[in-house]
This record gives sequence, C-alpha cells and structure tokens, in this order.
Amino acid sequence: QVQLVQSGGEVKKPGASVRVSCKASGYTFTSYVIHWVRQAPGQGLEWMGWINAGNGNTKYSEKFQDRLTFTRDTSANTAYMELSSLRSEDTALYYCARCDVAATAFDYWGQGTLVTVSS
Amino acid sequence: QSALTQPRSVSGSPGQSVTISCAGTSSDVGGYNSVSWYQQPPGRVPKLMIYDVSKRPSGVPDRFSGSRSGNTASLTISGLQAEDEADYYCCSYAGSYTLIFGGGTKLTVL
Repeated sequence: QVQLVQSGGEVKKPGASVRVSCKASGYTFTSYVIHWVRQAPGQGLEWMGWINAGNGNTKYSEKFQDRLTFTRDTSANTAYMELSSLRSEDTALYYCARCDVAATAFDYWGQGTLVTVSS
Repeated sequence: QSALTQPRSVSGSPGQSVTISCAGTSSDVGGYNSVSWYQQPPGRVPKLMIYDVSKRPSGVPDRFSGSRSGNTASLTISGLQAEDEADYYCCSYAGSYTLIFGGGTKLTVL
C-alpha cells in the first residue's frame, strides 16, 4: 500500500534551518510529484511547492522562494524539504503529499512533521 | 496571492444537505478544471474527497459532490452524517505550476 512516512518533530531556534524527510513506499517513487503543505497551529493549509521525483524539477511558492529547497534521493525513495532562516511564524505541521505528474490533487499524505521555532 | 475564500463555518442536521463555497478568480478556480476538496477531521491528516472539480476518488461516498459556477466552486454533502464533521479545504491550480488553498470551512453536524 502507498505510504509516505515523514521524519520526527524538530525544535529549532530562530535563524536556523530545518530539513524534513518524506520516505515513500508502495509505488514507483519517480513516477509522481511530491508536494509540501504546511499548517500553522489552528490555521488552514498552505501550499509550499513541489518536486518532481523523477527529474528533480521544482516549483516554489513565491512566499518561500528564497528560503526553501526541495531535493530527493531516488535510491532511497525519499524527498526532502529544507527551510532556512526560520522565524516563529514558521512553527507548523509540515506535510508531504503525493500527486500524479499530470494532476493537481493529493491522493496520499504523510503523517506530518511538527516544526517548532522558539528561542 | 490571497487564499481562496471559504465561509468560516457551516452547519446542518443529520440527513440534511450542506454546501460549502470556494470563491476565487478567473486566474484560478474559474480558469482551470483543477479544483480539489479535502476533508480534515480534528487532529487528522487531510483526505482527498473531490478532484478535477467534480470527480470522486474511489472509496469516497457519493453523498459528496463537487461543482463550479464561474469563479466559485462548491462542495455539497447530502445525507449529512455525524462522521462528516470536519474542516474542509478547497484547492485550485493557479497557473504557472502553482496551487492555492482556501481558508477552510468548519462543518458542524448539529
């Protein structure tokens, strides 16, 4: 069965960087796109961008353009999201989600990774 | 780019129908056949309920339906059940390979 398993929660200080992993199983990793979505406490969903797991192409939301990096390791079927220059407003649950290359809907989601930014 | 506009909350009694709207522009909701809806119960991961405006993934009850008129998409839940109580989010393609979510709607089953 399709699964996306994310790394554990992180606590970071303002100005630091965080890297979250998303390990895929149960399907051909390189045939899909991985999107990243975050949800601040008590708030709604916010789209961050995507990485094509096959060719490595990326697209970032303008909001995060200069602080966000997506990578993937095809040998490990894992996608990564790195957010730098963290501030308190980045405290949120970060999700990875799978999407067909030709589609725009997320059919499988990771369990979420809580990133807490606090001094 | 601002989030798509959804009502903060809607409510209905068991067995009734409710409709959640998602207002956008011709650059997103009205411009592409790429609106999806997600259900998120408290403390849970979002679940895909509708994609491509009105298509239902396998396993989603046919009580859930999607539609669009102009720049506004809608999710209708008929035969409301207690288990439908959750937050609902719309999401639309917004051009240039980007997506945008709505602010979310809390559905209460009375």
